[in-house]
Amino acid sequence: AQSVTQLDSQVPVFEEAPVELRCNYSSSVSVYLFWYVQYPNQGLQLLLKYLSGSTLVKGINGFEAEFNKSQTSFHLRKPSVHISDTAEYFCAVSFNRDDKIIFGKGTRLHILP
Amino acid sequence: DTEVTQTPKHLVMGMTNKKSLKCEQHMGHRAMYWYKQKAKKPPELMFVYSYEKLSINESVPSRFSPECPNSSLLNLHLHALQPEDSALYLCASSQEGNSGNTIYFGEGSWLTVV
Repeated sequence: AQSVTQLDSQVPVFEEAPVELRCNYSSSVSVYLFWYVQYPNQGLQLLLKYLSGSTLVKGINGFEAEFNKSQTSFHLRKPSVHISDTAEYFCAVSFNRDDKIIFGKGTRLHILP
Repeated sequence: DTEVTQTPKHLVMGMTNKKSLKCEQHMGHRAMYWYKQKAKKPPELMFVYSYEKLSINESVPSRFSPECPNSSLLNLHLHALQPEDSALYLCASSQEGNSGNTIYFGEGSWLTVV
């Protein structure tokens, strides 16, 4: 079965510290991978996406993610977080050129002062 | 600022009411989507329109009725809803049906059914 998993429902991290948000997927076909961010009371905004090519993808707001096919992972990283990064982060996957995009359950990033 | 505009931002309706949510995009996108998002949950796909035709219906109850009058507009007609239908309804669009294209989301319409 095809699925996407975000193991951490909440990640607390101190301001200016690095952070990694984990995402794993399960699929027998090719995939496209996305990270979206949702700030409080807003819609979703694309941070970055992987379609093909270089496995290291750089996005907006200093975020980057690495596609690892052998580990079926697409973890999101930022070297130094800011209070404004407080939000819900969703990993998402589309399978084999499907119209559907499936979201993980989300990870709430909580920045500690 | 999002280029997908949703109205109204907030809607309160009774279980016998008929109302509509509206969505508009002027990016020339040919695929449009409705998602439902409950608190602290991920968005769940409801419908996909591709080139103004309904391409995906995720077994949504008939009390939700989508409509795509033209390539820029997407409506969601609501009738005889239940309190458990209260949620954030997100409209989105992409250049074509996903295939790796970025999906752009509106800020959503908060629906409360009383």
